[in-house]
Amino acid sequence: KNQVEQSPQSLIILEGKNCTLQCNYTVSPFSNLRWYKQDTGRGPVSLTIMTFSENTKSNRRYTATLDADTKQSSLHITASQLSDSASYICVLGNDMRFGAGTRLTVKP
Amino acid sequence: DGGITQSPKYLFRKEGQNVTLSCEQNLNHDAMYWYRQDPGQGLRLIYYSQIVNDFQKGDIAEGYSVSREKKESFPLTVTSAQKNPTAFYLCASTTVRGTDTQYFGPGTRLTVL
Repeated sequence: KNQVEQSPQSLIILEGKNCTLQCNYTVSPFSNLRWYKQDTGRGPVSLTIMTFSENTKSNRRYTATLDADTKQSSLHITASQLSDSASYICVLGNDMRFGAGTRLTVKP
Repeated sequence: DGGITQSPKYLFRKEGQNVTLSCEQNLNHDAMYWYRQDPGQGLRLIYYSQIVNDFQKGDIAEGYSVSREKKESFPLTVTSAQKNPTAFYLCASTTVRGTDTQYFGPGTRLTVL
């Protein structure tokens, strides 16, 4: 069983709308949880890094939250733009266990 | 111009041949990683190295080999024992400290003919 599960698998939203992506994990404890954005055919780019003791971390229009009790993290994107269309990946721990990602499509 | 580079961008290989993918970084990072990504799938860890002359197997190391003779270089060899090598290969590096950003290279797309 994968130790990092992401949902939804894919999501389509209209430009300007907000959305929230989910990441559930089973690994505990861990040193950090990361969210990445990956454009098709490119390497992932880091969005946020949270340590086990942090609850939230923001980077421009991206806000990540972490609930260690429920073993869930979420990535909230506000005022979506067409360039936000990409895969968003949750990654756990120093050994870098990757979720399968959520494929986000922003339409005009 | 600092960063992490991979070459070549596209690579074609005949079945039964070994092939080596290059990964170089000038970020002075201690840790380097190799991942494989299949279409519509997440990244899977092949090998990682946290220090020169030492490396560890990831989740899917069978059919692959690596070396870490220099801090800045972590080449990956895809051997003929790898049953389904066609994929997108990504190299990454980071400092060993857990909260630092992991930087990824642009990737190499390997196709077995």
